This record gives sequence, C-alpha cells and structure tokens, in this order.
Amino acid sequence: DVQVVESGGGLVQPGGSLRLSCAASGLAFSNFAMTWVRQAPGKGLEWVSGISGSGRSTFYADSVKGRFSISRDNSKNTLYLQLNSLRVEDTAVYYCAKQKGLIRENYAMDVWGQGTTVTVSS
Amino acid sequence: QSVLTQPPSVSGAPGQRVTISCTGSSSNIGAGYDVHWYQQFPGTVPKLLIYASTNRPSGVPDRFSGSKSDTSASLAITGLQAEDEADYYCQSFDSSLSGWVFGGGTKLTVL
Repeated sequence: DVQVVESGGGLVQPGGSLRLSCAASGLAFSNFAMTWVRQAPGKGLEWVSGISGSGRSTFYADSVKGRFSISRDNSKNTLYLQLNSLRVEDTAVYYCAKQKGLIRENYAMDVWGQGTTVTVSS
Repeated sequence: QSVLTQPPSVSGAPGQRVTISCTGSSSNIGAGYDVHWYQQFPGTVPKLLIYASTNRPSGVPDRFSGSKSDTSASLAITGLQAEDEADYYCQSFDSSLSGWVFGGGTKLTVL
C-alpha cells in the first residue's frame, strides 16, 4: 500500500520557522508529483505548494509565495516544506498528498497523509 | 472567497438523490481542466472520491457520480445513506492563479 506520513508540526511564534517532512512508502517516489494542502481550524481545504517528481519544478499559492519552500529528496523518499516568516493565519493542519494524472493541470490528490498541525501563536 | 463556489450545505433523506454544485469560471473549469471531488468526515483525512470529473477510484460505490459542463461541475449521490454525511470539496486548476484550487466545501446532512 502507498503511504505518506507527515511530521515536524508544532507551536511556533509569529515570524518563526518550521520544517515539515513527509515520508512516502510503497511507491516509486520520484515518478510522482507531490503537494501540500492545509486546513485551518473549522475551515476548508487550501492548496499550498506542489513539486514535480524530479524536483525541478515547484509551485506555490500566492498566500505563501516567498515565505514557504518545497523540496524533495528522492533518495530518501521524502518531501519537505520549509515554512518561514510564519503568521497567525498559517495555523492549520498541513497534509502531504501524492498527485496522479497525465498532465500537471489535471492532477488529482489520490493519497493523503494524516496531517501535521502547525500552530502560530505568541 | 473561494475561486470555486459550492453551496455551504445540502441535505436529503435516506434513499434520496442529492447533488452538490461547483461553479467556476473560464480560467478553471471553463478552460477544460478536470474537476476532482473529495470526501472528508469530521476529524479525518480527505479522500479522493471522483477524479477527472467522472471517474471513481477503486472502492468508491457507484452511488457517487460526477459530471461537468461549461464552467461548472456536479457531484451526485443516489440512494443516500447515513454514512454519506460528510464534507465534500471540489478541486480544479486555475490558469490565472497558476495553481490548484478548492471549492469552499459543502456539508451534507442526511435527515
């Protein structure tokens, strides 16, 4: 079975930094694009960032552009999200998800992790 | 304000048919991009329910179906069951934003 497991969440002060990790298993990791989606308490889903299988192409939502950085280590089957200059409104559960599809624009998110909670508060 | 608009809530009695709409624009659904639907029970992880507008992943009952037309898409659930009570989200790609977008979500209540 394909599985993804997130880690690295926690409590951080506004302006602080955090690095999230997502360990994948049961798949040829480098063959698949990956993405991060977040969900603020009591709110809906918000796409955050995505990365191609090779890691050469990265994509960001406007709300996090310039503050968050996505990367991957295909030798370790691990996806990362570096969160800098954190704001109170970044408080959310952050999900890692595997993407599927023939072209990037039509990717669906078919395997989700259990999420890791990021709380930004003073 | 979400780029894709969904009704905040829908409801139906057991056995009935309900539909959830997802309205977009010419930069997303209207541009021909696929629409995907996700089901999320309270406190749990989202699950892919429909992909590429009309396809069901293995294990999803055929009571769930998707359609797309012009700038909107719909999720239909027939033979409504109590266990279908959950939040449902549509998702597509938006060329103006150069990224994937979700609808605001619809809470389905089974009466």
